[in-house]
Order: sequence, then C-alpha cells, then structure tokens
Amino acid sequence: SQTIHQWPATLVQPVGSPLSLECTVEGTSNPNLYWYRQAAGRGLQLLFYSVGIGQISSEVPQNLSASRPQDRQFILSSKKLLLSDSGFYLCAWSDTGGGQPQHFGDGTRLSIL
Amino acid sequence: QKEVEQNSGPLSVPEGAIASLNCTYSDRGSQSFFWYRQYSGKSPELIMFIYSNGDKEDGRFTAQLNKASQYVSLLIRDSQPSDSATYLCAVNMEYGNKLVFGAGTILRVKS
Repeated sequence: SQTIHQWPATLVQPVGSPLSLECTVEGTSNPNLYWYRQAAGRGLQLLFYSVGIGQISSEVPQNLSASRPQDRQFILSSKKLLLSDSGFYLCAWSDTGGGQPQHFGDGTRLSIL
Repeated sequence: QKEVEQNSGPLSVPEGAIASLNCTYSDRGSQSFFWYRQYSGKSPELIMFIYSNGDKEDGRFTAQLNKASQYVSLLIRDSQPSDSATYLCAVNMEYGNKLVFGAGTILRVKS
C-alpha cells in the first residue's frame, strides 16, 4: 500500500532563516505531488503541485519554492522566512489522471519567531 | 473565481443522530467530489468520494451529489463523539490535477 512521509512534524524558525521541508511517497510511481498551507482556522491553500520530476506549477506567488528531484520526493524551500509563512504545511499525493483523490501526509507545523 | 462554500458551523448534534453537512460549488463543469475529515491538529483524511449524481453509501457515511443544483452533501448516521471534527469538501473543477477545498464545517457530537 502507499504511504507518505513528511518531516519534520514541528519546526520553529527565526524570521529570515532558510527552510527545507521534505516529503516522500512509497508504494506508487509517478504520483502527482502537492504542497498546501493551512493557516490557523482556515482552509487549505494550494502552494505548488508537480506531475513529474522537475515539473513544478506554482499557485501563489510568494517567497517559497518547490522542487522534485526524484519521482517520489517533493521539497518545499525558502531562502528567507517571513512571519506570514507560519502555518501548517501539508504534502499530498494522488494517482495521475484527472479527478483522483489526494492523500495527505501528517503535516509540518511551522512557527516563525 | 472558482469556489467551494461550506457553512463554518459549528454544527452540534446529539449522539446517535444524523449529521448533515452541505457544500456548494461554483463550477458547473466539476466532475469529482471529495469529503475529508480533519481532527484538530491533524492532517485531512479522505472519507468519501463521489463522481455521479445520486447517493453513495459507505458504512455510516452517505455522500449525495446533485450536479444540476451544484451541491454535494455528507450524511453521518448514528453520529458518535469520535465524529467530532472539521469536515472539508473538495471539488476537482477542471478534471485535472487540482482540488479546490472549502473552509470546512466544524461538527460537534454531544454525548
């Protein structure tokens, strides 16, 4: 069966510091991969999605970036964090093809000080 | 702008009752519809999906879809305190790779 791993679970970073969050999927090949952010008490905001290695679509302009160096690895990065980057970051995967359900990792709770 | 709307709640129901959660969406061409459950501090968990008009049942859960009226609902029968969570409606609006999520409805089941 498929599993998705996301780490770290929690992270406290100072303003202006860099960020790297990693997500890996097991048990499937060529998945679609997604990064979401959920602010406290809010809905899910899609940040990036990828349909293949090196293919990244950005949904919201901001100081974050994403990369997909391997088929089942998705990385979210920032060179300099802002206070507004605080939130709950979720990685998800789906099978290829339209209309597929997405399955989420456990998330990373990021606090910026 | 393509939107998914949900009543934020909280919706309070007594234990054993039927909880009815509703969702409307803006894009008439939407094809796939999903319900996720999110416990406080946890990630969303897929509980139901529906692609065709009508009802789809899975245990205590029933998803209902009416494309003409552009709404999808989730019924939870015999509600339990463990069902207390935020329920997110998600719609695939372009039959592509992206889902649009509603903000969620908070459900509280009181024993």
